[in-house]
Amino acid sequence: KAGVTQTPRYLIKTRGQQVTLSCSPISGHRSVSWYQQTPGQGLQFLFEYFSETQRNKGNFPGRFSGRQFSNSRSEMNVSTLELGDSALYLCASRIYSGSVYEQYFGPGTRLTVT
Amino acid sequence: DQQVKQNSPSLSVQEGRISILNCDYTNSMFDYFLWYKKYPAEGPTFLISISSIKDKNEDGRFTVFLNKSAKHLSLHIVPSQPGDSAVYFCAASAESNYQLIWGAGTKLIIKP
Repeated sequence: KAGVTQTPRYLIKTRGQQVTLSCSPISGHRSVSWYQQTPGQGLQFLFEYFSETQRNKGNFPGRFSGRQFSNSRSEMNVSTLELGDSALYLCASRIYSGSVYEQYFGPGTRLTVT
Repeated sequence: DQQVKQNSPSLSVQEGRISILNCDYTNSMFDYFLWYKKYPAEGPTFLISISSIKDKNEDGRFTVFLNKSAKHLSLHIVPSQPGDSAVYFCAASAESNYQLIWGAGTKLIIKP
């Protein structure tokens, strides 16, 4: 079974631009969560989508948004990029929402904002 | 306010010895705890978990201990192997929303 895939793997953007990251979950998984990882901060939860609906949301500004499609693939968008948005963005999938059991992570997208 | 804390950014252990990684939490509503392992350029992978109804869970070389009164959990790896060198994250959740709250991670280095 293929794992969670994320595209692109690396991205360099300029302040003020916007970016869209993509995540394809494991086949059959309907829940997709997004995290931001920065050095010394661990993983910060952005949001979770299940069946095309946002189920949970972390404490990030409205510049961070996401969506999920009917095939469970998810996209995350960051508008008006700031230098502090430079981070590794991780996507994780699990079979369904409402359970902590075994989220499966993708390799991440490394975003650098200059 | 960090609800899950891993106070040691790094830990160096001799191969074959025991590695002990620690995690503290502040939210008494947390009732499920997980450890994930992360290699460079890869996403975290699930390692072991423990529910608040238990105080110990064992899986091969990995054992997690939970001390609810101290709001502390630890991961023991015995014996430590070179392939265990990675960053280890502790995460916690409450049944109310299952959102995982993560620690900052501890980088474990196994010396040959």
